[in-house]
Amino acid sequence: IAGITQAPTSQILAAGRRMTLRCTQDMRHNAMYWYRQDLGLGLRLIHYSNTAGTTGKGEVPDGYSVSRANTDDFPLTLASAVPSQTSVYFCASSDSQGREQFFGPGTRLTVL
Amino acid sequence: AQSVTQLDSQVPVFEEAPVELRCNYSSSVSVYLFWYVQYPNQGLQLLLKYLSGSTLVKGINGFEAEFNKSQTSFHLRKPSVHISDTAEYFCAIHIRNTGRRALTFGSGTRLQVQP
Repeated sequence: IAGITQAPTSQILAAGRRMTLRCTQDMRHNAMYWYRQDLGLGLRLIHYSNTAGTTGKGEVPDGYSVSRANTDDFPLTLASAVPSQTSVYFCASSDSQGREQFFGPGTRLTVL
Repeated sequence: AQSVTQLDSQVPVFEEAPVELRCNYSSSVSVYLFWYVQYPNQGLQLLLKYLSGSTLVKGINGFEAEFNKSQTSFHLRKPSVHISDTAEYFCAIHIRNTGRRALTFGSGTRLQVQP
């Protein structure tokens, strides 16, 4: 593993289903983030974690939850997916100073 | 609250021509500034960043940007573009000296380089 990996690469999901997007980093960064990318809106922050064991809400947290059991992993869960959650999801990480964020390749999620 | 405005959603340009992608931000405190590039169906890659020091920042692939504090701008430039520069470009800020480490992004500018 080099950098940040995300799984799955893409997924089609029925509305109402539960889904977990996985994110793993090998850079030993303290901070991790989840963004969603929608056309014309850029990237918007869903949730973040400044260090293992802590999480916080971003700009668009409704319908999503996260956990940070260890430094490397930061899964994002959709408890009951809705069509408005159709988007491309990016996981990112940074050091404690936040001087640069590194991004994963993204997960393209379609909720029907 | 902080915000980032990218004034052009699309910029068409001919190969070997110069290009400028505009970015303005709003913040009541000091910021770090970034430009990221996203090629089709890929993640975001850092082009360049301004943390402190010289206001002219040079990045990868021949891009540069200038931080203008009085105009709260961080425009991206390249003197001669190539077909391979076709991509989406995002300007972003990081608010310094706060607990928030996440970036605030602009809505993106699609650069289309034509032969």
